[in-house]
Amino acid sequence: DQQVKQNSPSLSVQEGRISILNCDYTNSMFDYFLWYKKYPAEGPTFLISISSIKDKNEDGRFTVFLNKSAKHLSLHIVPSQPGDSAVYFCAATNSGYSTLTFGKGTMLLVSP
Amino acid sequence: DSGVTQTPKHLITATGQRVTLRCSPRSGDLSVYWYQQSLDQGLQFLIQYYNGEERAKGNILERFSAQQFPDLHSELNLSSLELGDSALYFCASSDTGLEMNEQFFGPGTRLTVL
Repeated sequence: DQQVKQNSPSLSVQEGRISILNCDYTNSMFDYFLWYKKYPAEGPTFLISISSIKDKNEDGRFTVFLNKSAKHLSLHIVPSQPGDSAVYFCAATNSGYSTLTFGKGTMLLVSP
Repeated sequence: DSGVTQTPKHLITATGQRVTLRCSPRSGDLSVYWYQQSLDQGLQFLIQYYNGEERAKGNILERFSAQQFPDLHSELNLSSLELGDSALYFCASSDTGLEMNEQFFGPGTRLTVL
């Protein structure tokens, strides 16, 4: 039973355009969400997070949107750059716990 | 560089064998997490230790065990290995073990069971 789903295994975008990565969750107890980025041969690195008390969090080119009623979040990257090409993992957790539940990841390819 | 180190980088072994993966957390971090990433799978949480004590358990098989030592490094022991145990094993650390603190991941150990 996958509690965090990233239904798009891959996404291709042109440099300068917007990249939108989507994530759905089923566990209504999740109240904190994170995005991690992973390059080949490296471990995942934290990118941005959002608490369920917010519906948007922005950090430079990266914005995460949370729709609690739809149990859906998305990561927007604007403008996309070739260096953004990586696998992006969505993760979720429940306050009071420190373990993260990850999705399977979406591979983003940004072409020049 | 996240500050989390994992050894070895690669490990090739045979079915039925036992291996030990090692993780050194970032300086000052008390919490260590182990994850498994199999082909086409996301990161599956295995187990968490906080300051030497087991704090949370995920989808960890009985053939697998872990511990965290007084110097805070951690080891993941995998025994009676099966072909399906071939995967990337990541260790992560955080300072208080609370979910609001981001976890810092090591580069992973790639285990191949032949």
